[in-house]
Amino acid sequence: KNEVEQSPQNLTAQEGEFITINCSYSVGISALHWLQQHPGGGIVSLFMLSSGKKKHGRLIATINIQEKHSSLHLTASHPRDSAVYICAVRSKTDKLIFGTGTRLQVFP
Amino acid sequence: GAGVSQSPRYKVAKRGQDVALRCDPISGHVSLFWYQQALGQGPEFLTYFQNEAQLDKSGLPSDRFFAERPEGSVSTLKIQRTQQEDSAVYLCASSSKPRGRGNTDYEQYFGPGTRLTVT
Repeated sequence: KNEVEQSPQNLTAQEGEFITINCSYSVGISALHWLQQHPGGGIVSLFMLSSGKKKHGRLIATINIQEKHSSLHLTASHPRDSAVYICAVRSKTDKLIFGTGTRLQVFP
Repeated sequence: GAGVSQSPRYKVAKRGQDVALRCDPISGHVSLFWYQQALGQGPEFLTYFQNEAQLDKSGLPSDRFFAERPEGSVSTLKIQRTQQEDSAVYLCASSSKPRGRGNTDYEQYFGPGTRLTVT
């Protein structure tokens, strides 16, 4: 079993839909990251959080430390949001452990 | 300012060839990480440098993999006698703070990656 699990693996949506991606982890962590990876490999950090909730534009990330679970929400999805969204946790030994990613495709 | 850059962006190697992948981190960044990302998978940790010191190489899959950062800035990941299972995207990331020491709030900035295909 992977230490970081994401669901769903693939997600398609119509433009304007509300999107949720889930991340569960089984190790103790000091922080959790949500990352965006576009075709071609470039990775951009969206959020780093260790508790509560953060919002940036149309993106909201939440984390529940007790339940070892985080969600990434996207409101008013747009085709340009199509990418792979990766959850990564920073373990207590300070290593980043990545999920396998969720591939999001938003159609006009 | 310039982000993390990597070169080459794409590399095709015949099985058995040696390859060298370069990473230019953000200027002044102390920490440098190498990751390997197989197709359809998330990145996996290979090695970590704090300045010129390689403090963690626990993720290197075999002794064919070697990384260096001799002057604490540019880093090179070398793979000797490449095998087909080495085909992956190799990602480099840098951070302004050292790993550990209770620094839980540093960001890692990723380069675009080098896609290695071994035929």
